[in-house]
Amino acid sequence: EVQLLESGGGLVQPGGSLRLSCAASGFTFSRYAMAWVRQAPGKGLEWVSAISGDGDSTFYAGSVRGRFTISRDNSKNTLYLQMNSLRIDDTAVYYCGKVQGSIVGANDYWGQGTLVTVSS
Amino acid sequence: DIVVTQSPDSLAVSLGERATINCKSSQSVLYSSDNNNYLAWYQQKPGQPPKLLIYWASIRESGVPDRFSGSGSGTDFTLTISSLQAEDVAVYFCQQYYSTPYTFGQGTKLEI
Repeated sequence: EVQLLESGGGLVQPGGSLRLSCAASGFTFSRYAMAWVRQAPGKGLEWVSAISGDGDSTFYAGSVRGRFTISRDNSKNTLYLQMNSLRIDDTAVYYCGKVQGSIVGANDYWGQGTLVTVSS
Repeated sequence: DIVVTQSPDSLAVSLGERATINCKSSQSVLYSSDNNNYLAWYQQKPGQPPKLLIYWASIRESGVPDRFSGSGSGTDFTLTISSLQAEDVAVYFCQQYYSTPYTFGQGTKLEI
């Protein structure tokens, strides 16, 4: 059974940093791309970032490029999102999602999400 | 960036009736080399993560009831629920994964 478990969310001040983790199990982690998608309170879904199965290719939304860094440790079956220079509008539930392919595809499995609140 | 627009924003349908949600992308998401439309549909219920319903625009994910179907090509797509059930009340999103950023539509709230 595929399981994705996010952690690392919390309350942070504007300008601060946070590192999210997503522990994966139930599939061969290195074979699949992974993604982060966020959802502000009461709003829709916003794709944030993705990384290929081998970790060599990374992709970002314009709203986070230069501030967020996606990475993965295939030996630990874990996906990360390093978030720097956080802004109030980064407040959201952050979901990690497994991608159907090694580079591109729909998100066929999702974690339950971790809440990031940026506030002074 | 590809802009994805859904219509309507909300929809009320009687139990047993057909529900239709539309999704339009600002440019084609049909990849000529493999003839696939890089578009997915998700269902999200309150307090839950999204659930994949349809990928490649028309392929039903394993375990999804066959009352859900996807159609369309290029820039215009449709999610159809043939006979609405009470458990289908949710927000539905389409997403293009043709080019990054892999943008979502704004969502359609489906009610009874």
